Formats: sequence, C-alpha cells, structure tokens
Amino acid sequence: DTGVSQDPRHKITKRGQNVTFRCDPISEHNRLYWYRQTLGQGPEFLTYFQNEAQLEKSRLLSDRFSAERPKGSFSTLEIQRTEQGDSAMYLCASSLEGPNEKLFFGSGTQLSVL
Amino acid sequence: DAKTTQPNSMESNEEEPVHLPCNHSTISGTDYIHWYRQLPSQGPEYVIHGLTSNVNNRMASLAIAEDRKSSTLILHRATLRDAAVYYCILRSTSGTYKYIFGTGTRLKVLA
Repeated sequence: DTGVSQDPRHKITKRGQNVTFRCDPISEHNRLYWYRQTLGQGPEFLTYFQNEAQLEKSRLLSDRFSAERPKGSFSTLEIQRTEQGDSAMYLCASSLEGPNEKLFFGSGTQLSVL
Repeated sequence: DAKTTQPNSMESNEEEPVHLPCNHSTISGTDYIHWYRQLPSQGPEYVIHGLTSNVNNRMASLAIAEDRKSSTLILHRATLRDAAVYYCILRSTSGTYKYIFGTGTRLKVLA
C-alpha cells in the first residue's frame, strides 16, 4: 500500500493555459475525491467518483474544470484556460465504500497561475 | 449540507490533554461525525469517527453528546507533532457521500 499519489507536486503556468493533474488512489479504493484548498481555508469539495462514475460535482465548479476516472483507477483533473483565481492546492483523496469509510489524502498539487 | 462550528484556534501545553469542541446542531440521524487533521504542507489525515457512542483509537478519543449536537476530540497527551488544523466533519450516509470541511481549529502546542 503506497498511499495516494499525486503528480505533479507543483505546477506553474501562465494565465490562459490548460493544465492537467493526475491522482493514483490506493488500489482497492472505489471512491475518489478532488478538493481545492487556498491558504487559511479548509479543503473545498470539487467532485467525487464511485468507480468510474462521477456522482457529484460542486456547483461552484465552472465548466473550465473537468475530471475523469477511466476504468475506475487513476483520475485526472483538467483546468482549461486557467485564471489567477485557480491558484490553489489541489488535493485528491480515496476511500473504500462502507460504514467505516475514511479518506486517505495525497500530498496535493500546488498550482500557481501567473 | 449539515454544518459544524469550531473555534478558530486553541493552545495547549505539551503533554497535557486537549479537548477540541465541535457543534453540529443540524446533524441528522444518518450523519457520522468525522475528525481529520492537517499538518503543515500535507494533505489532511484521518483521526477518528463515530455515530452515537464514544470512540477510542491510538490517536485520540471522540466524545459524542447524548443528543449528538456536539462532540469533542480528545488528545490525551499533546505533543509538538500534534500541532495542526483539526477539522470536524459531518458525513452523510444517504444521498450524498461528500465530506464538507469547514475552516477547522488551529491547535498550537507549547513546549
């Protein structure tokens, strides 16, 4: 069990560019969550998957954001036409469905939009 | 989404017990109470969770009020490594399965 891994750890991009982040969950976990966190705030829910199905997406998420989880394994989060307000830490978490479900988080991808 | 209320910050002396409170007056019968903590420059990590009864694990204890409208995370002997932001979360088991984080309590541990 190597934990949840996220790639890259840091990303610097220019406004207007597209970026894509990857999350590899713990292998037997069927749920995968994406969160965004800015300085001094708690993680903000973006979306989550159960297996390959995207079950819920935050209403705060603009249509520039899209996430996929093909085959129910790794997931990607893409941001198109980045804006300076997208600068944040993007966190991925996975879990195994059940009454004792708990989230395991990765270390995050820090995005800086210049 | 059911909401939780926590103090913004607390301080504790090293090796003393710490009681971190959380109010959740709008909790529903199917909501579990979860606690996570976030150390600097890391993703949050699970601490403990419960439904109705008090819970203990190697990291902490969770005391849940009889009416479930409040709970307290108890660290029995705080260490400097416990300095973190602690989040109390209500997690539904029906309809939606997302975890909604608030701003948490920043715990400072004094040597």
